[in-house]
Amino acid sequence: GAGVSQSPRYKVAKRGQDVALRCDPISGHVSLFWYQQALGQGPEFLTYFQNEAQLDKSGLPSDRFFAERPEGSVSTLKIQRTQQEDSAVYLCASSLGTSEKLFFGSGTQLSVL
Amino acid sequence: AQSVTQLDSQVPVFEEAPVELRCNYSSSVSVYLFWYVQYPNQGLQLLLKYLSGSTLVESINGFEAEFNKSQTSFHLRKPSVHISDTAEYFCAVSDKRAAGNKLTFGGGTRVLVKP
Repeated sequence: GAGVSQSPRYKVAKRGQDVALRCDPISGHVSLFWYQQALGQGPEFLTYFQNEAQLDKSGLPSDRFFAERPEGSVSTLKIQRTQQEDSAVYLCASSLGTSEKLFFGSGTQLSVL
Repeated sequence: AQSVTQLDSQVPVFEEAPVELRCNYSSSVSVYLFWYVQYPNQGLQLLLKYLSGSTLVESINGFEAEFNKSQTSFHLRKPSVHISDTAEYFCAVSDKRAAGNKLTFGGGTRVLVKP
């Protein structure tokens, strides 16, 4: 595709449910980032992949959050046992290299009830 | 660690009037500086960036930002706004030593251009 694609666009989960959020980066992009954007705030870094290697996961808020990119392309962010404070927009971004222009997807809006 | 402060959460402005969005940052290391824009129902887009060299950087749609190291600021300006500039604007920094796209964002400034 022409841009970074994220699915689903909206996700409603009951507290305690597990969710999986998908990111399709631009083809050929080596670097992939996940950010979390709470309502009324700026995005906050969660984790970073270079190809399939997760080089930085310092922003993941708890061990309930897990991200993977097994073949160096599509990435999945999984949240186990969701809680209300997990409600946010989750943004995925990709770039050709670590310092190349970053392209963002439109995000997945997660609402935990 | 870095932090970014955008002093104004909302800025209403009339069409063809000037606008300035303020951004201050705090960092113990040298940083790159960015402004991103998010139009309604769209993803974040890079507006402009400062990496090195001239402290005044410009975008293709008339915005400019000036890096002021002594004041640790990177304010964004446009001399005459259009209705289409209605969007949310985010200032961001990244550590020059780290992966260039690990960004620390400010809280955003929502610009509403009125006719």
